[in-house]
Amino acid sequence: EAGVAQSPRYKIIEKRQSVAFWCNPISGHATLYWYQQILGQGPKLLIQFQNNGVVDDSQLPKDRFSAERLKGVDSTLKIQPAKLEDSAVYLCASTRGGGPAEQYFGPGTRLTVT
Amino acid sequence: GENVEQHPSTLSVQEGDSAVIKCTYSDSASNYFPWYKQELGKGPQLIIDIRSNVGEKKDQRIAVTLNKTAKHFSLHITETQPEDSAVYFCAAKTFPGNQFYFGTGTSLTVIP
Repeated sequence: EAGVAQSPRYKIIEKRQSVAFWCNPISGHATLYWYQQILGQGPKLLIQFQNNGVVDDSQLPKDRFSAERLKGVDSTLKIQPAKLEDSAVYLCASTRGGGPAEQYFGPGTRLTVT
Repeated sequence: GENVEQHPSTLSVQEGDSAVIKCTYSDSASNYFPWYKQELGKGPQLIIDIRSNVGEKKDQRIAVTLNKTAKHFSLHITETQPEDSAVYFCAAKTFPGNQFYFGTGTSLTVIP
């Protein structure tokens, strides 16, 4: 089966600009996660979707970050306006559903804010 | 919320030796503990996992042990090879929220 797809792979923007990332999870996976991974650290959860509903967005900086999963399949994560500290890799992951299910990651989008 | 600590942060071993990475977690309700390998420029790749009702699991050269009482779990890699060099992350999945919390990573270098 195809893996988690993400685009773009790389993005360079100036601070205060906006940027959007796209993710298409593994077919049939109901749960989708967005993570932020700063260099040298583990992934940090930003938002979790179950189908098209938000399960947890407690660590999403809602003044500048937004995410949606309108049809319960693919998802977009947006940053507006970007700050220097948003430079990181943004990872998308999916699982089949609840319970102790395997989580699979996409290749990530490396964002550099200058 | 859940807090996962991982040690060591860096590990160098000679090819053929064993490597052990240890993690602790704080939430006794966490019920699933995966390990990921991340190579440069790639997303984390699941290499082995263990559920809370199991104490040990092995897959060829890789094994994971879980001590629920002490709330710690470990990754064991035997007969290490240069291609095992990467960053390894442990994680704990909470119940019932199904959120994953990650350790800070271990950079493993296998010296030929």
